[in-house]
Amino acid sequence: DAGITQSPRHKVTETGTPVTLRCHQTENHRYMYWYRQDPGHGLRLIHYSYGVKDTDKGEVSDGYSVSRSKTEDFLLTLESATSSQTSVYFCAISVSGQGIDYGYTFGSGTRLTVV
Amino acid sequence: GQQLNQSPQSMFIQEGEDVSMNCTSSSIFNTWLWYKQDPGEGPVLLIALYKAGELTSNGRLTAQFGITRKDSFLNISASIPSDVGIYFCAGQLGNTPLVFGKGTRLSVIA
Repeated sequence: DAGITQSPRHKVTETGTPVTLRCHQTENHRYMYWYRQDPGHGLRLIHYSYGVKDTDKGEVSDGYSVSRSKTEDFLLTLESATSSQTSVYFCAISVSGQGIDYGYTFGSGTRLTVV
Repeated sequence: GQQLNQSPQSMFIQEGEDVSMNCTSSSIFNTWLWYKQDPGEGPVLLIALYKAGELTSNGRLTAQFGITRKDSFLNISASIPSDVGIYFCAGQLGNTPLVFGKGTRLSVIA
């Protein structure tokens, strides 16, 4: 079982404050992703990483930045939180081995409320 | 960006009934996946499909990769209460990130 941990699990923050969410994996996977989940929208990609210091934007990247300074950690930062960023945030890792792609393994999510 | 149209959005069924849901896309994919999400948890992979026309089963679940590479369906036979949740389809082309459908919320009435 791929070890992937998100922290915090829940957070309430005020509009305009910076927030950082952390995703930690224990198995040295190269690809990591941040998605947000909202009713009626499913899962939408925010940013992803394909290696240390290698990141790219997803479909809904405005207002978010990411950093990956080591393989095991992928951080998502909301520079100045807005109410529209109230959502459930999921981190995922791409799991593959011996030429077989096993899809993504997801963390348990962070429920963020911006008030 | 790419979009997946997943239907139905929600379903209410009696325990023991069969369930069918599908996903269509305007673009082709070379991988289709189906995930299930339980309340308060992240999605969990149910079935992965890698070839056009492929039909794969996992217990009571059966999924197919459409021959045009633009669609996929998931069937659940003889539904039980623990099948309740949100089901997502996802498509992938090459090494690009997965694109997800908006989900089908399944409710099972005992």
